Amino acid sequence: EDKVVQSPLSLVVHEGDTVTLNCSYEVTNFRSLLWYKQEKKAPTFLFMLTSSGIEKKSGRLSSILDKKELFSILNITATQTGDSAIYLCAISVIGSGDKLTFGTGTRLAVRP
Amino acid sequence: KAGVTQTPRYLIKTRGQQVTLSCSPISGHRSVSWYQQTPGQGLQFLFEYFSETQRNKGNFPGRFSGRQFSNSRSEMNVSTLELGDSALYLCASSLALGQGYNEQFFGPGTRLTVL
Repeated sequence: EDKVVQSPLSLVVHEGDTVTLNCSYEVTNFRSLLWYKQEKKAPTFLFMLTSSGIEKKSGRLSSILDKKELFSILNITATQTGDSAIYLCAISVIGSGDKLTFGTGTRLAVRP
Repeated sequence: KAGVTQTPRYLIKTRGQQVTLSCSPISGHRSVSWYQQTPGQGLQFLFEYFSETQRNKGNFPGRFSGRQFSNSRSEMNVSTLELGDSALYLCASSLALGQGYNEQFFGPGTRLTVL
């Protein structure tokens, strides 16, 4: 069965800190890894990674995938209170349509 | 363009009752997926509908069912509610253009509480 594990489960930092969130997975027929941010209700899409070693960046957020070691990291630099959220990692597999397998998430709290 | 909408937003039911949740996808989106989110299990895939057909199904009991209409709107039904069914039910839609993964857009969810 496909499995996604995220660590840490929760994290408290101060504004300006840099954080690294981890996601490891065990799946067959890997297609892509996705990161979502969930603040109140609806998860919002951050990144999709399909190729190993390629970094995706959007402002202060970046992510990289290691397909050999089966993990991904999400980095947030110069954190702000608005970054406080649950960060979700999910896997899409070939032949499963739009089905995503999610990890339980990392709850990030950024203190002023 | 309006986002994914879900109704109702909040629902309180008692054990043994049944419930129907509704999801309207973004206009033009053809695939609708449902997820259950609980504090202990995170987001778990329930099922996906495309062109009124169930394309994928998660590991949930038969009490959980769904359907999709010709306008792509979808409903999910839970019969004989149990306390453990209390959760946030999220719906997501995508264009479903091809074989690759299609970016999914999530609705705000329906918070179901079973007493």
